Amino acid sequence: SQTIHQWPATLVQPVGSPLSLECTVEGTSNPNLYWYRQAAGRGLQLLFYSVGIGQISSEVPQNLSASRPQDRQFILSSKKLLLSDSGFYLCAWSPGDEETQYFGPGTRLLVL
Amino acid sequence: AQSVAQPEDQVNVAEGNPLTVKCTYSVSGNPYLFWYVQYPNRGLQFLLKYITGDNLVKGSYGFEAEFNKSQTSFHLKKPSALVSDSALYFCAVRDWGGSARQLTFGSGTQLTVLP
Repeated sequence: SQTIHQWPATLVQPVGSPLSLECTVEGTSNPNLYWYRQAAGRGLQLLFYSVGIGQISSEVPQNLSASRPQDRQFILSSKKLLLSDSGFYLCAWSPGDEETQYFGPGTRLLVL
Repeated sequence: AQSVAQPEDQVNVAEGNPLTVKCTYSVSGNPYLFWYVQYPNRGLQFLLKYITGDNLVKGSYGFEAEFNKSQTSFHLKKPSALVSDSALYFCAVRDWGGSARQLTFGSGTQLTVLP
């Protein structure tokens, strides 16, 4: 069966520091991968998605970036964090063009 | 453009009573519809989906949802609520013509089941 992992689970970072959040999927190949941000425990905002290694599409311009160095690895990064980057970051995957997205456990980021 | 509305921010129901969480949608073509549940500080868990076929869809943990094309609704239901069902519920939609990344989520409904 497929599983999706995210780490760290919780992160507290100062403003201006770099960020690296990692997401990995097991038990499948060539998945579509997604990064979402959930603010205030409610609405989900799609940040990035990827259909293959090195293929990244950005949905919202901001100081975050994403990379996919391996088939089942998706990384969310920032060079300098802002206070407004605080939130709950969710990674998700779907089997290619299939319609259901499956979510990871999330990373809670607090920028101070 | 597609959209989804969850008109209730909060739903309270007594344990053992039936529960309904409402969802209405708007798409240009035929919809793919989904329900997810989120427990505190956790990711979203997939509950059920409607693609085509029978309008009544059964999912995990005893939940079901009814697709109503004329009312453009996809309400989530459960015959007998449990305290452990207390969580945040999200409805999501995308158009048949779109791709998996074009999933639009509602704002969520907080369900509280009272003992």
